[in-house]
Order: sequence, then C-alpha cells, then structure tokens
Amino acid sequence: RKEVEQDPGPFNVPEGATVAFNCTYSNSASQSFFWYRQDCRKEPKLLMSVYSSGNEDGRFTAQLNRASQYISLLIRDSKLSDSATYLCVVNLGWDDMRFGAGTRLTVKP
Amino acid sequence: DTGVSQDPRHKITKRGQNVTFRCDPISEHNRLYWYRQTLGQGPEFLTYFQNEAQLEKSRLLSDRFSAERPKGSFSTLEIQRTEQGDSAMYLCASSPGTLNEQYFGPGTRLTVT
Repeated sequence: RKEVEQDPGPFNVPEGATVAFNCTYSNSASQSFFWYRQDCRKEPKLLMSVYSSGNEDGRFTAQLNRASQYISLLIRDSKLSDSATYLCVVNLGWDDMRFGAGTRLTVKP
Repeated sequence: DTGVSQDPRHKITKRGQNVTFRCDPISEHNRLYWYRQTLGQGPEFLTYFQNEAQLEKSRLLSDRFSAERPKGSFSTLEIQRTEQGDSAMYLCASSPGTLNEQYFGPGTRLTVT
C-alpha cells in the first residue's frame, strides 16, 4: 500500500461546479498535512495547511479525519484558473514529507 | 524576489557526465530539501539539511549523488556519471522549521541523452 494515495483523475468539471478530492494516508503517526497545487511543468505551491478542526480559505475547504486517515479538499464555484494538479502531502514527522501522485483537475468553460 | 531560486533551470547532458545544481533557499529558513519528480508522480524526497548538517538521505540517493550545504546557506546537488534514469525535475524546497510547510523553487529539469 502506498503511503499517500490519491485518485489521479482527471476530474473534468464545468465552471462554477463544486469538486472534492480525497487522499488517504497509511501512517497513523503522521503529524501535519497540506494541500499543494502544481501547474504543468511548474513547482508545487502551497495551497493550504490542513488542521484537525478543518479550515477554509475562500472557495477552498480542507478537512482531516484522523480516525479514517484521510484528508479532503473541496473547491466551490470552480474557476478556469483552478485547473492544475492537486498534491496531498503528509508529514510523518522529523521533516519526512510524503507526497501523493496528485489529482488532475480541468475546469472547462 | 525573496523566494527559493534554483540554477540552472534546464540541463541537457550526455550519459556519463557529471552535473551540479544549485539551490538558494529563503534566507531565514534553516531547513533545505531536495526532491526528484518524474512525470505523473509527486515529488520524491532525496535529502535534507538543517543548517549545514545533512540529516537524512533517501534510499533513492545512490552513491553517485552528493549534496552539500556549506555554511548553511545555498546548497548544491551533484550527480556523477549520469544515467538516462536520472532524467527528471530536481526540486529544492526550504522551510522555517519541522512540521512546517515547504516552499519550492522552480526546479532544474535534467535530461540525460
């Protein structure tokens, strides 16, 4: 089993749609969690950290479920500019960051 | 620009040659990381430094790979006797501390012919 698993997609959605991605992790000792966005042939950029209480940043909402060992990202009112690959990242502690392979999203007009 | 910078952005080399990449982290960050990313995969951890000390090396990092961070500032990653399988994007990231988010540079894309 991979340490961090994501549905690779692609997710093709129309503008204005709501889309959700899930990510599961295998190590119950994982300590911090993040979502990164990566555009084609560019570096990953931090989208948001994921807290146990859940957190929201504009149209983006992240949730963490430690009992079931999964993280989710919800994007509301999708924009064309949201088209990218979304990487789930889990920190196992001691700077041991593990990345998922990413979920590709395409938002169409 | 006060972000992470990497040089060169692209490198084409012939198999068997040595290559060296440079990373300049965000100045106040004491942690610096190297990753490798191939198409369709997430970044894979190679090694990291806290200040000038190299604290962790992945099993992916064969003895052909070496990294340094003299004086705890910029870092270099050298690959000796390159192989075609080394073709990838090499990403550098820095962080202000453990468990914190990491900030990535634009990467160096290596092509070994």
